[in-house]
Amino acid sequence: TAGITQAPTSQILAAGRSMTLRCTQDMRHNAMYWYRQDLGLGLRLIHYSNTAGTTGKGEVPDGYSVSRANTDDFPLTLASAVPSQTSVYFCASSDKLPGGELFFGEGSRLTVL
Amino acid sequence: GQNIDQPTEMTATEGAIVQINCTYQTSGFNGLFWYQQHAGEAPTFLSYNVLDGLEEKGRFSSFLSRSKGYSYLLLKELQMKDSASYLCAVSDSNYQLIWGAGTKLIIKP
Repeated sequence: TAGITQAPTSQILAAGRSMTLRCTQDMRHNAMYWYRQDLGLGLRLIHYSNTAGTTGKGEVPDGYSVSRANTDDFPLTLASAVPSQTSVYFCASSDKLPGGELFFGEGSRLTVL
Repeated sequence: GQNIDQPTEMTATEGAIVQINCTYQTSGFNGLFWYQQHAGEAPTFLSYNVLDGLEEKGRFSSFLSRSKGYSYLLLKELQMKDSASYLCAVSDSNYQLIWGAGTKLIIKP
């Protein structure tokens, strides 16, 4: 079973360029999330979506945008990348609202130079 | 502000028992989660506590005391494959997860 698929696995990006991280799930979960993970810090929520057609801002939304056109896909876009956005990005989903167990993708390692 | 504290790193011996503590201060409480994350991989769910007490699941147990803002994850009969980071996360009053920075557990033979 695929679960959650993220792409790309890793990417090096020049500052100022745009980038979309893709996330697709096949579990029909309503809730989806984007987190970033940085050394020494806990996972930080960037954006979330409780159901298709709705999105919300998390703890660190600046510089990022998301869309949720359907249940399965939840892409994260960096409009103009900056070095501070160098991080590992995890997409996650949950079948329970509120407070359900999260299922994570394998992560996308992004380096902005 | 909201805060989750857990030790940065712990070392234990194969076959032994280790307890990883987590203390929290959050605006509201709707449950506490433990996740395991091997290096370079995604976090995976271990346990969920919303009521006080001990929840046992095989070699892993998780304890919660809401009045003390405290939880621990107990790992018994440690195996080399248990070497990983263990993440504590609390669901606050808005059901948003607040994450600790994780405890890196090193298992020595």
